[in-house]
Amino acid sequence: DTAVSQTPKYLVTQMGNDKSIKCEQNLGHDTMYWYKQDSKKFLKIMFSYNNKELIINETVPNRFSPKSPDKAHLNLHINSLELGDSAVYFCASSQFRRYPRLNTQYFGPGTRLTVL
Amino acid sequence: QKEVEQDPGPLSVPEGAIVSLNCTYSNSAFQYFMWYRQYSRKGPELLMYTYSSGNKEDGRFTAQVDKSSKYISLFIRDSQPSDSATYLCAMSAENNAGNMLTFGGGTRLMVKP
Repeated sequence: DTAVSQTPKYLVTQMGNDKSIKCEQNLGHDTMYWYKQDSKKFLKIMFSYNNKELIINETVPNRFSPKSPDKAHLNLHINSLELGDSAVYFCASSQFRRYPRLNTQYFGPGTRLTVL
Repeated sequence: QKEVEQDPGPLSVPEGAIVSLNCTYSNSAFQYFMWYRQYSRKGPELLMYTYSSGNKEDGRFTAQVDKSSKYISLFIRDSQPSDSATYLCAMSAENNAGNMLTFGGGTRLMVKP
């Protein structure tokens, strides 16, 4: 059973389009995340979300918006796609622990987005 | 300058060698330190984690944290071709809104048979 799954695996689209990437976790975790990994393998947090709050990395353009229909899903919607959005997007999840506040995150397989 | 620095490599070693992977960081608030392994075209998977300073061993892997130097290491003993992957260090602070991790850029390791 896949713990964290993402669809689609590959996404090729034109500049200016709007697209969504879906993420589902079956681990019963209460927190989900979106990361962007660029061509140099640098993995950067975009959003952290649980049923109480959304934390947004201040560097993320507002064209990106996470949407969570329920605790097990966190989708990423991107408006007006740009060439620089081409990257691999990873979803992750974790279970919040108060002490120690160790954040063990489990990652999905990634969605490779190419904007032409 | 990035908060977490990691030599991108590639690091090429013969099978059986001891591998040393390192990260330096600038944020003294980081308390939790993790190592993730990422195979090509896959998501990162957690290898090891440590809290604050010290060593932790798990099979062929040893993680070390030196908070005074803001330096962490991952040692792999008796390296195998199956260890060939990109290794990412990750860190977080105690009172970190959103439990966000800050990653290094990853070091690509190649273990040759």
